[in-house]
Amino acid sequence: DQQVKQNSPSLSVQEGRISILNCDYTNSMFDYFLWYKKYPAEGPTFLISISSIKDKNEDGRFTVFLNKSAKHLSLHIVPSQPGDSAVYFCAASEGFGNEKLTFGTGTRLTIIP
Amino acid sequence: EAGVVQSPRYKIIEKKQPVAFWCNPISGHNTLYWYLQNLGQGPELLIRYENEEAVDDSQLPKDRFSAERLKGVDSTLKIQPAELGDSAVYLCASSLGQQGYQETQYFGPGTRLLVL
Repeated sequence: DQQVKQNSPSLSVQEGRISILNCDYTNSMFDYFLWYKKYPAEGPTFLISISSIKDKNEDGRFTVFLNKSAKHLSLHIVPSQPGDSAVYFCAASEGFGNEKLTFGTGTRLTIIP
Repeated sequence: EAGVVQSPRYKIIEKKQPVAFWCNPISGHNTLYWYLQNLGQGPELLIRYENEEAVDDSQLPKDRFSAERLKGVDSTLKIQPAELGDSAVYLCASSLGQQGYQETQYFGPGTRLLVL
């Protein structure tokens, strides 16, 4: 049972445009959500997080939106840059993030120069 | 500040052989995690330590996998004997471990295991 789903395995976006990555979850006990970015042969790198008490969190070019009623979150990257090309994982935790993270299967983002 | 360190980065062994992975977490991080990542999938938790104590090992296949975190710092994950299906990336992560706070898990580069 996949509790965190990233239904788009890949996404291509022109440089300078907005990239939108989506994530859906089924477990209503999830309380904390994170996005990680992964380059080949490296471990996941933390990007941005959001608590369930918020609906938006922004950090520079990255914004995460949370819609609890729809059990949906999205990551917006604007403007997209070539260095953003990577695999992006959505993750969720029932607690404070220091417990088990449940990951999606990832979305490969390719930024086209 | 140094990140999570893992070694080796790559390991190739024959099935039925033992293998061990080592992890050094970020200094001051009390909570340590081992995750398994299969090709095309997200990481899945194997075991979580708070200091020396394994507080969640429900997903660890205990017939062949074992882990330890002596002195609450470094950790070792062992597989004995390895099977073909164990070929995957083994990721170590750490976090501060402050109870009651939302915190971030930081990952190491992983050990890529190939069992032949």
